[in-house]
Amino acid sequence: EAQVTQNPRYLITVTGKKLTVTCSQNMNHEYMSWYRQDPGLGLRQIYYSMNVEVTDKGDVPEGYKVSRKEKRNFPLILESPSPNQTSLYFCASSYLGRERSEQYFGPGTRLTVT
Amino acid sequence: AQRVTQPEKLLSVFKGAPVELKCNYSYSGSPELFWYVQYSRQRLQLLLRHISRESIKGFTADLNKGETSFHLKKPFAQEEDSAMYYCALLISNTGNQFYFGTGTSLTVIP
Repeated sequence: EAQVTQNPRYLITVTGKKLTVTCSQNMNHEYMSWYRQDPGLGLRQIYYSMNVEVTDKGDVPEGYKVSRKEKRNFPLILESPSPNQTSLYFCASSYLGRERSEQYFGPGTRLTVT
Repeated sequence: AQRVTQPEKLLSVFKGAPVELKCNYSYSGSPELFWYVQYSRQRLQLLLRHISRESIKGFTADLNKGETSFHLKKPFAQEEDSAMYYCALLISNTGNQFYFGTGTSLTVIP
């Protein structure tokens, strides 16, 4: 089944403790992206990648890192999480080219930083 | 500054009534605009894109460059249309950056 998976789905952590949220897709998509969703703010793009070893900042990249060593994986790294990074995070992937607009979204990761 | 504005947080209509979800964007270049939908307990998914000029599930959206709008319309709302709707803008001149609106929660009253 074609899909985007994220792990973990729920995470409670403490300020400053490094964490990684994994994202994987099995559709051979070139484009992958991370979003955070906050009440009243909608979805905001954190980082995106147009291919292996190519990553770019989105609208709200501060406090996050990403890497794209393999086409299928695009982990989101919080080196030193802070409470303002408490949010619902979504990973998405798509083809480039004309079909790039159809992003396939993961189920979301709810992160709480205390 | 918000690039995509959805002025209605909540919208309720009766079944069979017309529905319009508003979306305005801010971008001076050629926009690529989309509507995404999230039904209860489902993932966010693409509903339609302006370049396709298609009608999906009875919904249409017309890009109005003069008014910088991309409103989503359906002439007769159905209960299964109840969902969260997001308007999105893709800017691809320096990359492939997406901007989403804050979303409109549509409730269709039986």
